Amino acid sequence: EIVMTQSPATLSVSPGERATLSCRASQSVSSNLAWYQQKPGQAPRLLIYGASTRATGIPARFSGSGSGTEFTLTISSLQSEDFAVYYCQQYNNWPPQGPFGQGTKLEIK
Amino acid sequence: EVQLVESGGGLVQPGGSLRLSCAASGFTFSSYDMHWVRQATGKGLEWVSAIGTAGDTYYPGSVKGRFTISRENAKNSLYLQMNSLRAGDTAVYYCARGVATTLYWYFDLWGRGTLVTVSS
Repeated sequence: EIVMTQSPATLSVSPGERATLSCRASQSVSSNLAWYQQKPGQAPRLLIYGASTRATGIPARFSGSGSGTEFTLTISSLQSEDFAVYYCQQYNNWPPQGPFGQGTKLEIK
Repeated sequence: EVQLVESGGGLVQPGGSLRLSCAASGFTFSSYDMHWVRQATGKGLEWVSAIGTAGDTYYPGSVKGRFTISRENAKNSLYLQMNSLRAGDTAVYYCARGVATTLYWYFDLWGRGTLVTVSS
């Protein structure tokens, strides 16, 4: 079973600065990884799939990288609307506990 | 407009049943695998069920035998029949469109969710 672990649980960053969020898989998921953003009271929104491909309409300040077991979501210059919870999801296999990481909350410093 | 709209949530007693619906619009519903994903208050995302374009269904162990996913392509609608509900099923339930890859899915379109509360 593949377990997805996100770190840190909470990240405090100032607007305009860079944010780096990590997602680690307990075994290789190749590049079969997606990232989602969820704001309070809203549904998740797809940001990245294939580890590094931005979804339609996603600003260029969002970028994904990594393959195998280590993945990173980088937000190059934080805007006020970027403060949210971010989830990673692998789709290389489908474990009983589900494909999602536990999330990283990005908060204003 | 491409969207998913859930309905049918509410308050139900433990052991009771509830049927959720998801209305799809703006895309060819019959061409997509569809899913339900839930989120308890303050918690992460939990995949609940999936149905393929051919009607094949998938469930995690936590809901298998209690929940049934179905679809009605003529009505562009997805359903989740939930029986034997427990307090632990309390959550916002999201309908999500799955993008099928050579392996499994990621989710490129989500509804706004419907709240299910299981309590006496």
